[in-house]
Amino acid sequence: GNSVTQMEGPVTLSEEAFLTINCTYTATGYPSLFWYVQYPGEGLQLLLKATKADDKGSNKGFEATYRKETTSFHLEKGSVQVSDSAVYFCSLAPRIQGAQKLVFGQGTRLTINP
Amino acid sequence: EAGVTQFPSHSVIEKGQTVTLRCDPISGHDNLYWYRRVMGKEIKFLLHFVKESKQDESGMPNNRFLAERTGGTYSTLKVQPAELEDSGVYFCASSQDPVSPLHFGNGTRLTVT
Repeated sequence: GNSVTQMEGPVTLSEEAFLTINCTYTATGYPSLFWYVQYPGEGLQLLLKATKADDKGSNKGFEATYRKETTSFHLEKGSVQVSDSAVYFCSLAPRIQGAQKLVFGQGTRLTINP
Repeated sequence: EAGVTQFPSHSVIEKGQTVTLRCDPISGHDNLYWYRRVMGKEIKFLLHFVKESKQDESGMPNNRFLAERTGGTYSTLKVQPAELEDSGVYFCASSQDPVSPLHFGNGTRLTVT
């Protein structure tokens, strides 16, 4: 079946530190991959996505590259800010079922200290 | 445009009681989804509406859960009777078409005591 495994949190970093949140997946076929973010008190927001192998999604300084050979979609940011504190969810959409029946990882809570 | 709205934002009920969650999707979005996150675990798909029709309800945990979308606008998710393991955050999401990104609401936190 389809599943997503992401780095367990919580993760605490200092401002301007480098961030990596690991995400690996298991899927039949070639899914689309997503990172969603949930800021305190808000709903899930799409942060970035990639729809095929070697695609790089990017937004707000965050990047993730679809690696088919390692079935990974790690989230990175070169210099985090306090405002990046949130819960981050890696997810996939099985291509055969369309983009919407998302399979999520457990979420990683990130806290950035000034 | 107004986003996806859910209410209540929080609900605390006793085991055995009934609770109804409501979701108002973005106007014009035919596709409406319910997801649930239980106790810090992964978010899981519950079901998908296209207009008023249930397209896929394979994620509904059992027959204590009933989702409706009369008229193809807002949707309700009723839990009757509620059990302790139903506690969690229930998210609603909508999209304009089957391939557009989902817009999520802020969620309803349900606590069953």
